[in-house]
Amino acid sequence: QVQLQESGPGLVKPSETLSLTCAVSLHSISSTHSWGWIRQPPGKGLECIGSIYYTGTTYYNPSLKSRVTISVDTSKNQFSLKVRSVTAADTAVYYCARLGPNWIDPWGRGILVTVSS
Amino acid sequence: ESALTQSPGTLSLSPGERATLSCRASQSISSSYLAWYQQKPGQAPRLLIYGASSRATGIPDRFSGSGSGTDFTLTISRLEPEDFAVYYCQQSGNSLWTFGQGTKVEIK
Repeated sequence: QVQLQESGPGLVKPSETLSLTCAVSLHSISSTHSWGWIRQPPGKGLECIGSIYYTGTTYYNPSLKSRVTISVDTSKNQFSLKVRSVTAADTAVYYCARLGPNWIDPWGRGILVTVSS
Repeated sequence: ESALTQSPGTLSLSPGERATLSCRASQSISSSYLAWYQQKPGQAPRLLIYGASSRATGIPDRFSGSGSGTDFTLTISRLEPEDFAVYYCQQSGNSLWTFGQGTKVEIK
């Protein structure tokens, strides 16, 4: 059963870059699926940030596209997220997940990232 | 982009009762591209239904999904204590996948 685990700093200063990594286990990241990042501000709903295929093809939410980069490292079976120039509005639980053709499953446990000085 | 609106915002029911949750899309979407998730406090969402009506692996048959076009429904036939949670619908009909705002099913 594929497992995903997010890692990275839980606190980022305003205007800096948020960097997270998602380690994938029990499943090759070089499969027919895409891999994505979704975030959830405290007490609010879910927002797709973007996704990546193992070939490196990416898709980004247009509202975040100018600040986001998603990359993949097939040798380490992991993928990463960078969000530049963060503000308090970027405070959220960040989830990584596997994306099927019309579903998201499974999800990582999530990591809370707080943007604060 | 198809926006999803869920109703009601909160559903107060007792264990054993039937829950009916609605998800309405601003534009018609193929039923193939509508999914439902359950989220409990402090946990990640869990896939329940995909393709509008197909249960994900390990999901009990008291969960069922239906609908087409712009109107979709998640039904929980008899609520178990572990079913009290927030439920989200999600569409994958275009490049930007989006979620509804969620329906909270709480114990009455």
